Amino acid sequence: GIQVEQSPPDLILQEGANSTLRCNFSDSVNNLQWFHQNPWGQLINLFYIPSGTKQNGRLSATTVATERYSLLYISSSQTTDSGVYFCAVRGSNYKLTFGKGTLLTVNP
Amino acid sequence: DAGVIQSPRHEVTEMGQEVTLRCKPISGHDYLFWYRQTMMRGLELLIYFNNNVPIDDSGMPEDRFSAKMPNASFSTLKIQPSEPRDSAVYFCASSLGSWWGYTFGSGTRLTVV
Repeated sequence: GIQVEQSPPDLILQEGANSTLRCNFSDSVNNLQWFHQNPWGQLINLFYIPSGTKQNGRLSATTVATERYSLLYISSSQTTDSGVYFCAVRGSNYKLTFGKGTLLTVNP
Repeated sequence: DAGVIQSPRHEVTEMGQEVTLRCKPISGHDYLFWYRQTMMRGLELLIYFNNNVPIDDSGMPEDRFSAKMPNASFSTLKIQPSEPRDSAVYFCASSLGSWWGYTFGSGTRLTVV
């Protein structure tokens, strides 16, 4: 099956800093999503982005499908951004395969 | 839309008891997925349905686990008998075809003591 690798595994920031999270995948994909799992355990869909670039407020994402990677940018980070960020991809079937996540801690 | 609704939010049960987790997908979505999240294994797909029909149950850990989708608006995941190693967060997700993203419910945190 498709392999998904996320980096870095952990990231600690001061409030106001910017960050870039990376997701590499091993095969062509039909779907790529970024999720934020908040401290209460909820999985919040951030972006559905199989290719191209999208922006939503302080967050943006870029997927370069031909090079099999995606980037999630967080600008002017806030403490509420803390949590685990997951990249998940779907190949030729409907199985969404998750990476191990990046644990982001934003300190005040 | 209320999103994907799961119940209960938390479940604590004794080893050997039957546990039933419930999910209501988003209206109109034709795919439903059950995932399990543990520290050791992360998020793993257990089973998914298309138009109420189970398509791939290869992720179901063993015969103690079963899932049903009797209609388009309801699915259950049952564990009988439950064991402490089944303790995890169980998520249900739904999607509309293959062109759009998946929406996850809030999860059920299961603790088997």
